[in-house]
Amino acid sequence: QVQFVQSGAEVKNPGASVKLSCKASGYIFGAFAIQWVRQAPGQRLEWMGWINGGNGNTKYSQNFQGRVTLQRDTSATTAYMELTSLISEDTAVYYCARGNRGSIDYWGQGTLVTVSS
Amino acid sequence: EIVLTQSPGTLSLSPGERATLSCRASQTVSSTFLAWYQQKPGQAPRLLIYGASNRATGIPDRFSGSGSGTDFTLTISRLEPEDFTVYYCQQHSSSTGMCSFGQGTKLEIK
Repeated sequence: QVQFVQSGAEVKNPGASVKLSCKASGYIFGAFAIQWVRQAPGQRLEWMGWINGGNGNTKYSQNFQGRVTLQRDTSATTAYMELTSLISEDTAVYYCARGNRGSIDYWGQGTLVTVSS
Repeated sequence: EIVLTQSPGTLSLSPGERATLSCRASQTVSSTFLAWYQQKPGQAPRLLIYGASNRATGIPDRFSGSGSGTDFTLTISRLEPEDFTVYYCQQHSSSTGMCSFGQGTKLEIK
């Protein structure tokens, strides 16, 4: 079965960076994109970007102004999301998920990132 | 960027009633790339509808999607107690590759 296991919760100071991992299994990693979506407490879902699991092409939301970088390791079937210059408003649950023809069909359990001094 | 606006923000209905949730796009969205999700508290979203009208695997047939262009609808024909939660629409632009979500509709028990 398709499954994503995300790395554990993080607590970061403002101005720091965070790098999250997302281990995929149960499908051909290179045949689908990995999407990243975040959700601040009590707020809406916010799309961050996607990475093509096969060729590594990426697309990012303009809302992050170059602060986000997506990577993948095909041999490890793992995707990574790095967010830099953290501010308190980046406190959120970060989800990785499988992109499938424009929709997002399988989701990870989410990783809570807390930005606080 | 395509902005999705969902209405109403909150919908109060009783079990057994019919729910109609709206998603309006600021520009034309290909029906192929319009999806609906259900999210329960503390859980990741779950895909309900893809391609505007196709039910995802395991989704009960009381959920249906329709629409085209800039106006899309999620209908729940007979509300069950477990359906009272938050719903999001999402689009993917085939021209830019960008995605976006609506702000959500909360379905609450009247």
